[in-house]
Amino acid sequence: DAGVIQSPRHEVTEMGQEVTLRCKPISGHNSLFWYRQTMMRGLELLIYFNNNVPIDDSGMPEDRFSAKMPNASFSTLKIQPSEPRDSAVYFCASSLGQGQQPQHFGDGTRLSIL
Amino acid sequence: GESVGLHLPTLSVQEGDNSIINCAYSNSASDYFIWYKQESGKGPQFIIDIRSNMDKRQGQRVTVLLNKTVKHLSLQIAATQPGDSAVYFCAEKGGTGQFYFGTGTSLTVIP
Repeated sequence: DAGVIQSPRHEVTEMGQEVTLRCKPISGHNSLFWYRQTMMRGLELLIYFNNNVPIDDSGMPEDRFSAKMPNASFSTLKIQPSEPRDSAVYFCASSLGQGQQPQHFGDGTRLSIL
Repeated sequence: GESVGLHLPTLSVQEGDNSIINCAYSNSASDYFIWYKQESGKGPQFIIDIRSNMDKRQGQRVTVLLNKTVKHLSLQIAATQPGDSAVYFCAEKGGTGQFYFGTGTSLTVIP
C-alpha cells in the first residue's frame, strides 16, 4: 500500500514567491497533520485536520501560512510570500481516528528560500 | 554569525549491545505514547506505541517502558545493529488528538 505522498520532494525558490506543498494521506485515514522540522526548533506541529476540518492551527507561524484540505485525499500548505526563515523540511502525516492510532509520515519536502 | 541549534542528546553503542533511549513527557493526563525512528532524508517511522494502562510493551527487538509516576518513557533496543543508527523521537498525545514530539536522541551504532 502507498504511504503518505508529499510533493515536491525539494523546492528552491526566491523570497517573496508563493510556495505550495502538497500531501496525499493514506487512503482511509481521517486525520492529517502538517509539521515543520528545523535544527533550531525540532519537529513542530503546524496544523491538524480531522475529517477535513482544521482542529488545531495554533502552530501556524503567521498569516503568510495557510493550509487547506478540500477532500479526504488531498491537502496543501501554502506560504505567501515566502521568506528565508521559512527554509525547513515540511512533513505531512496521517492517521486513523483522532489520536488513538500512530501517525504515518511522508518523506517530507525540503524547502529552501533564497 | 554562529548558528545555535537544538542540543540533541547522543548515544553511541557497540554493535550487539543493548541501547536505552529515555524521554520525559510533560502532561500527566496523556494516555498514549509513540516512539519514532528518523533516518537521514526520511520522515519519522513508527516503531512502537504504548497506552497509559500498560507499563511495558514489547515488539521485535524493542521494548517500551512507561513510568507514569515520574512521567518517563524509555525505548530499549536489543542487540543493536548498524541499521538502528538514527534519531529517535518520543511523542505524547495531546488533548485534541495531536501529538507533541520531543527533541530526539541521536543513536550511533559502532560496528
